[in-house]
Amino acid sequence: DQQVKQNSPSLSVQEGRISILNCDYTNSMFDYFLWYKKYPAEGPTFLISISSIKDKNEDGRFTVFLNKSAKHLSLHIVPSQPGDSAVYFCAASDQGSARQLTFGSGTQLTVLP
Amino acid sequence: GAGVSQTPSNKVTEKGKYVELRCDPISGHTALYWYRQSLGQGPEFLIYFQGTGAADDSGLPNDRFFAVRPEGSVSTLKIQRTERGDSAVYLCASSLTPDSTEAFFGQGTRLTVV
Repeated sequence: DQQVKQNSPSLSVQEGRISILNCDYTNSMFDYFLWYKKYPAEGPTFLISISSIKDKNEDGRFTVFLNKSAKHLSLHIVPSQPGDSAVYFCAASDQGSARQLTFGSGTQLTVLP
Repeated sequence: GAGVSQTPSNKVTEKGKYVELRCDPISGHTALYWYRQSLGQGPEFLIYFQGTGAADDSGLPNDRFFAVRPEGSVSTLKIQRTERGDSAVYLCASSLTPDSTEAFFGQGTRLTVV
């Protein structure tokens, strides 16, 4: 039973436009959410996170939105750049920290120049 | 080193053999995690260490898998009697404390069982 779902395996966006990556979860005990970015042959790299007490967190070009009632979060990248092309993983924890994360299956983002 | 280091990067072994995968966390990080990533999937939690002790090993799939962290720094994931289904990328991560809001991942060890 997948507790964290990323239903879009891939997404293509034109350079300069907005990329929106989505994630849904089923476990209402999750209280901390993270997005990781992964390039081929490298480990996941932390991008941005949000606590369940917030509904938005912004860091430069990256914004994460959390809708607790819908159990949905999204990552917005604007403007998208070719270097953003990677696999993006949504992850969740029920311990308010990065301990014992449950990951989604990832979305491959391709930013076209 | 500056980041989490995992060795080897790649390991090919025959079915039934024993393998050890090593993780060198960021210096000073007390929490260490092992995850396994199968093709097309996200990482799945295996085990978490706080210091030298395994605080939670609920993700280990069966008793062929074992991990140690004897001095609270380097950790070794051990797999006995490997099976083809064990083929995956094994990722290690560390964080300053278990309550840290960010975990740093190594590049992983790609294990192939033939």
